[in-house]
Amino acid sequence: QVQLQESGPGLVKPSETLSLTCTVSGGSTSSYYWIWIRQPPGKGLEWIGSIYYSGRTNYNPSLENRVTISLDTSKNQFSLKLSSVTAADTAVYYCARGYSIDYWGQGTLVTVSS
Amino acid sequence: QSVLTQPPSASGTPGQRVTISCSGSSSNIGSNPVNWYQQLPGTAPKLLIYSIDQRPSGVPDRFSGSKSGTSASLAISGLQSEDEADYYCAAWDDSLNGRNVVFGGGTKLTVL
Repeated sequence: QVQLQESGPGLVKPSETLSLTCTVSGGSTSSYYWIWIRQPPGKGLEWIGSIYYSGRTNYNPSLENRVTISLDTSKNQFSLKLSSVTAADTAVYYCARGYSIDYWGQGTLVTVSS
Repeated sequence: QSVLTQPPSASGTPGQRVTISCSGSSSNIGSNPVNWYQQLPGTAPKLLIYSIDQRPSGVPDRFSGSKSGTSASLAISGLQSEDEADYYCAAWDDSLNGRNVVFGGGTKLTVL
């Protein structure tokens, strides 16, 4: 059974960089798309970006100049960095797998506040 | 202002059949598979339907999906109280900068 688990700080100061890691167990990151999605409190889902196992990335155009997604197949992890955060970046951040986005992490709440 | 358009709410009584629509464009629903997700309060979304009309193992056959042109629908038959949740449609979108994922704004289903 594939499982994904997000980890990282739950509180980030405005203008700083949000950094999260997703650890994959029960499966390999040497295949599939690996995806970051977020959900602001009380709102809908927003795709942040994806990385293919080959290393090719695609980002949401609205976040593209602030986002970096990377993949470490040796650790079976992939990561998200979002720079210059503001309160609008406060959200539950999910990592997920695949073209069908079939497996999701439980999500981690990241609050941007001083 | 989601790329895919869903009604914000839907409702039905136990045993009824409910449908939720999802409208997109030629670059997403019109040319790519559609997935549907169910999100219960306080939990991560769960894949309900993939590739338009396929159900993952464990999803009851009360849930079904369909697509016509640039629109898709999720149908729930024999509505049950535990179906009360938020439902999201999603599709890959072939845009100028590559393959992106687009979501609907979500539909809150209430079982009366």
